[in-house]
Amino acid sequence: NAGVTQTPKFRILKIGQSMTLQCAQDMNHNYMYWYRQDPGMGLKLIYYSVGAGITDKGEVPNGYNVSRSTTEDFPLRLELAAPSQTSVYFCASSPRIKRGSNTEAFFGQGTRLTVV
Amino acid sequence: AQKVTQAQTEISVVEKEDVTLDCVYETRDTTYYLFWYKQPPSGELVFLIRRNSFDEQNEISGRYSWNFQKSTSSFNFTITASQVVDSAVYFCALSEEGRGSTLGRLYFGRGTQLTVWP
Repeated sequence: NAGVTQTPKFRILKIGQSMTLQCAQDMNHNYMYWYRQDPGMGLKLIYYSVGAGITDKGEVPNGYNVSRSTTEDFPLRLELAAPSQTSVYFCASSPRIKRGSNTEAFFGQGTRLTVV
Repeated sequence: AQKVTQAQTEISVVEKEDVTLDCVYETRDTTYYLFWYKQPPSGELVFLIRRNSFDEQNEISGRYSWNFQKSTSSFNFTITASQVVDSAVYFCALSEEGRGSTLGRLYFGRGTQLTVWP
């Protein structure tokens, strides 16, 4: 059971380039999230999705886009990379969450992105 | 305002010492969940524990124990007889279930870097 798989693990981008960070989960989870981790700052939510076809902004969505065409995949798109987007990106998933019954999120291994 | 505060940025201890990592949270919701995650040098996030707001029982798992106190909005984590392998960044996180909350969304503290020296 692979869990949450992120690719690539590392990437260097030049300013203005675009790329897609891939995220796939094989646990049939409805909820998926993208977080970014900056040094000494904890993780902040970029976008999330509660199911295929449904996405919404998190705390820091500017400069990113997402799509959720299937339950398994939740790619994160950077259109015009900027140095401020240098960070470690984590994808996570959770089962369907009911009120009164939250569960832990399962995280991918992370993607370390550097924009130069 | 930070919903989760981990005031200790870095802690260093010598092996076999006990160490407590502090976590203070802020929420107006009556139903919420608290988590601890471990991030070893390899970078992945490892789930350690989840506690809901209705369960204030302390929990012990091997050398790990957690103290949840609603009166002080704290969810502290203690490692007994620390080992070098415990060296990592530890994150405390909060998930809320009030109206308007994003179910499952985690608010993370800034993390505490724990270094255990041999």
